[in-house]
Amino acid sequence: QLQLQESGPGLVKPSETLSLTCTVSGDFIISTNYYWGWIRQPPGKGLEWIGSIYYSGNTYYSPSLKSRVTVSVDTSETEFSLMLSSVTAADTAVYYCARLRSGSFDLWGRGTLVIVSS
Amino acid sequence: DIQMTQSPSSLSASVGDRVTITCRASQFISNFLNWYQQKPGKAPKLLIYAASGLQSGVPSRFSGSGSGTDFTLTISSLQPDDFASYYCQQSYTNPQVLTFGGGTKVEI
Repeated sequence: QLQLQESGPGLVKPSETLSLTCTVSGDFIISTNYYWGWIRQPPGKGLEWIGSIYYSGNTYYSPSLKSRVTVSVDTSETEFSLMLSSVTAADTAVYYCARLRSGSFDLWGRGTLVIVSS
Repeated sequence: DIQMTQSPSSLSASVGDRVTITCRASQFISNFLNWYQQKPGKAPKLLIYAASGLQSGVPSRFSGSGSGTDFTLTISSLQPDDFASYYCQQSYTNPQVLTFGGGTKVEI
């Protein structure tokens, strides 16, 4: 059964780069015809799409975050990653990775809380 | 960019009530509209895809309708497990840009 799991530091200092990894278990990213995405949710607020990637490396980013975001697929083909640079307190959120199938996120990781603080 | 507006932002209801949540797109999105349920501390769960398609395993009391710019999520008879937040999401501009609505919290 396909599962997704986010991992990475739970605390990041302001102005530094947030780095998270999503591990896909049960299949290889390259063997599927899906996009994979990152979504975040600040405490007590709504969902915000960050970006998506195809196994071939094609990426798409939220216009509001585009200048600071990089999403990539690992050569292991079982992980994809998120990097968000120059973080501020406003980037404190639960970060989710998810599978994107025909435009809907049908499979999600449990999420990981990242706090931006010195 | 396409903006998604949900209403109401919160509502109070009782078990057995019929509940309706609306989502409006700032421009035409055909039927490229999905609905999610999220419980506190949990990841969102896909309920409805393509405006009216029921995701596998989702109870039939959930239904979606609409096309163009106006959409509705209906819970025909609210159950205790349904108290949660609900989000719409447009995929008309998939994969270039995806947008969520602001959410609706269904409370007792």
